[in-house]
This record gives sequence, C-alpha cells and structure tokens, in this order.
Amino acid sequence: DGGITQSPKYLFRKEGQNVTLSCEQNLNHDAMYWYRQDPGQGLRLIYYSQIVNDFQKGDIAEGYSVSREKKESFPLTVTSAQKNPTAFYLCASSRKPGTLEGSPLHFGNGTRLTVT
Amino acid sequence: QQQVKQSPQSLIVQKGGISIINCAYENTAFDYFPWYQQFPGKGPALLIAIRPDVSEKKEGRFTISFNKSAKQFSLHIMDSQPGDSATYFCAAVTTGTASKLTFGTGTRLQVTL
Repeated sequence: DGGITQSPKYLFRKEGQNVTLSCEQNLNHDAMYWYRQDPGQGLRLIYYSQIVNDFQKGDIAEGYSVSREKKESFPLTVTSAQKNPTAFYLCASSRKPGTLEGSPLHFGNGTRLTVT
Repeated sequence: QQQVKQSPQSLIVQKGGISIINCAYENTAFDYFPWYQQFPGKGPALLIAIRPDVSEKKEGRFTISFNKSAKQFSLHIMDSQPGDSATYFCAAVTTGTASKLTFGTGTRLQVTL
C-alpha cells in the first residue's frame, strides 16, 4: 500500500539535543511538507519542498532544518534552538504542488516528540 | 494573523443529530477549501472539498455549504454517528502558487449515544 511512513511514533529527548524525525513516502509525490500540531492551534507549516534539493520555510521554521536529497524522503531536524519543541509533528505530501488536483495532502500518522 | 477562523473549538452532538462546524476566511485569493478529519493518534485525512464556484457539495452524510460573498463555509454532518467523533479541520489554499494550505484551529467533535 502506498503511503507516508513517519518514525518513530514516540520520541523522547533531553533539552539541548538535536533530534531528527523521519518521513518516507512511496506515493511518488513531488511535494512534501512538515506541520506541527499543538492543542488549539491547528496545523502550522514548518517547511515544505516542491522538488528534490529545494525547500522553503513555512510559517514557523525557526529552530528547525530539513533536507530533500531524495524524492521519497524529507527528514526534519528539531534543533536545540527551538524553544518549545514538544509537539506532534506531521509529515505530508501532495502529487503536484501549485495545481488544484495537487492540493489534497496525504498525511503520515505523526511523531510525538517530548523534550524534557 | 490567522487567515482561517474555525468555530466551535469543541462540539458535543447526540447520535442522529446534525453537527455543524463553521469557518471564515479573509484572503479572497483562496480558491480551494478542503476539510480534513483526524482521529486520535493519526494524521488528518481529506474528507471533502469544495471550490468557490459552487454553493454546496454533498458526499454521503457530509455536506459543505459555501457562501462566497460572506467568505464563510461550513461542514454539516447529518445523522451523526459515534464513529464520526474526531477532530475536524477546515483549510484554504490558493492554487497555482505553492499550494500551501492554511488550516483552521480545529473542532473536536464528540458524538454521544
């Protein structure tokens, strides 16, 4: 079955440590996205990538970094500079960015990161 | 600046009742309005979507009503079932650009027996 795999489901880190969240898709989608979900705040865009080796900052990129070396992979690193890293992180992809039919996002099941 | 405002934050409906979730937007360049459904511990999934050139779209028990002049749209869930209990997000996007969806803050729906 095609889909988006996020791993691990739960992640615990000590404050001051960088941590990388994995996102892999086998949908052959061009665009990939990272969202952060906090209670009562909806989904906020961290970074997105429309093609390999290219990515753009979203609304809350500070303290995060990404790479897009392969079409199917879009890892997110939460750095020690992120002030409130504890959250539910969602990776998504879409077939064709910038077109109506490309608008539907397919989400993974998320990684819950807890930093203490 | 929140471009898509969603209400209510939470909603309790009895089984068989109608659930109504409302959203309002500011950016008139938005031209595609999807709704996503999210169950606990899962990622959101596309439920239904509408373009602004139609006033209503129905898929089974789910209906989107769209009022372009008021810049408002709503999700109606008819004959609500306990299995509909989830968080619902409205969203908006301007296609033809970078397709960045702007999400509402979500509505947690609980359907009771």
